[in-house]
Amino acid sequence: QVQLVQFGAEVKKPGSSVKVSCKASGGTFSSYAISWVRQAPGQGLEWLGGIIPVFGTTNYAEKFQGRVTITADKSTRTVYMELSSLRSQDTAIYYCARSVLETYYFDHWGQGTLVTVSS
Amino acid sequence: EIVMTQSPATLSVSPGERATLSCRASHSVSSNLAWYQQKPGQAPRLLIYAASTRATGIPVRFSGSGSGTEFTLIISSLQSEDFAVYYCQQYNNWPPWTFGQGTKVEIK
Repeated sequence: QVQLVQFGAEVKKPGSSVKVSCKASGGTFSSYAISWVRQAPGQGLEWLGGIIPVFGTTNYAEKFQGRVTITADKSTRTVYMELSSLRSQDTAIYYCARSVLETYYFDHWGQGTLVTVSS
Repeated sequence: EIVMTQSPATLSVSPGERATLSCRASHSVSSNLAWYQQKPGQAPRLLIYAASTRATGIPVRFSGSGSGTEFTLIISSLQSEDFAVYYCQQYNNWPPWTFGQGTKVEIK
C-alpha cells in the first residue's frame, strides 16, 4: 500500500527558508516521480516542481526557478522541498504527490504540510 | 504554459441529480487529462486519468470524456459524499503541470 507521509506544520519569517519532507512507503521507489503542489488558503492547486528520485532529475515551474530546490534521499525514501526567500504569499498547504513514470498524473498524495509565513 | 479553465465555478445540485463539470485547455492536451476530488481538510484524490479512465476504487457514477481542448466530468447521481471541489489537470505539456481553478459542487 503506497503512502506518502508528511509531518507537522511550519511557521517562518519573511525572507527565511523552509524545508518540507515527504516519506514514501510501499511501491517501488525507483519507478515513480514525486512532485510538490501547493494550495494557498481558499485557492486552487499549483505545481512547484518534481523529482525522479532514482535518477535525481528535477523539473521546476518557471515561477519558482531559483527559489525552490527538490532533493531525494533514496536510502530513506524521503523527498524534500526547500523554498527560500519566503513571503506572505507563500503561506499555503504544501502537498507531495506521486506519479508513476510515463504517466504524470498524481495517483497518491501526502496529507500536506501547512507553511505559514508571518512576521 | 497550458491554461486550464473550469466552468462553472460553483454548481448547485440536489442529491440524486446529475452534475456536469467542464474543463477547457488553452491548447490541445490530447487525452492527457486527469480529474481530482478534494473535500475540506483533505488532500486531492485522483478520480479519472487519460480523460476517461476511472482510478482504482472510483464508483461508476463518475465518468469522464473529451479530448483535445474540451473535457467533461459527469457525476450521474450525486451522493452526499460527492459534494466537494473538483479540479482538472493536464499532463500533456510539462513543465509545468497545470490545474484548473476548480468547480465547487454544493448542495442545492
